[in-house]
Amino acid sequence: EPEVTQTPSHQVTQMGQEVILRCVPISNHLYFYWYRQILGQKVEFLVSFYNNEISEKSEIFDDQFSVERPDGSNFTLKIRSTKLEDSAMYFCASSADRSGVDTIYFGEGSWLTVV
Amino acid sequence: AQKITQTQPGMFVQEKEAVTLDCTYDTSDPSYGLFWYKQPSSGEMIFLIYQGSYDQQNATEGRYSLNFQKARKSANLVISASQLGDSAMYFCAMRAPSTDSWGKLQFGAGTQVVVTP
Repeated sequence: EPEVTQTPSHQVTQMGQEVILRCVPISNHLYFYWYRQILGQKVEFLVSFYNNEISEKSEIFDDQFSVERPDGSNFTLKIRSTKLEDSAMYFCASSADRSGVDTIYFGEGSWLTVV
Repeated sequence: AQKITQTQPGMFVQEKEAVTLDCTYDTSDPSYGLFWYKQPSSGEMIFLIYQGSYDQQNATEGRYSLNFQKARKSANLVISASQLGDSAMYFCAMRAPSTDSWGKLQFGAGTQVVVTP
């Protein structure tokens, strides 16, 4: 079964460092997303991406965050200068179209620990 | 504003029994989708089942079924014949695809299920 893959599975970084989380969405999907889950809390939407541009972003997704689809297969989330509160599980997800019956599939997540 | 509520923080269920996880939602969109995901202790988010607001029948996927009561705005997940591997956190999520919010899932707080032998 096709799946969304994410790397790294776990990353520890120092506060202030840049981090890039990588995702390979399901190959025929058109819509891509990043979500995050702070330990013990709800899953929160960060950003959606379609046709090489951001289609929606949440209040969490400030200027420190950016997304890119550099080569037609990878989808990346960059955090420019990490803060302690960025420590969370980051999920990449993808879906096929706007039909209303398609499913959003999640990757296995990338644990980010900022120290 | 859209809202998803899961009122059961945790529950125990015996192996081979059925369990119902509650989910209520609130939206003014006539077209929306409801999802259930399973998150084991390893952390990944596994899709279980989907129900569209216009679907005439309740969704089923193997041992998972969704008890969709549109008038009551509830979308409860039923897991039949529980297995030890069903122990996990279960999240209900809603997507209301207005022009601006396509793809944005709103998640409930989750229900932790522990299956006991």
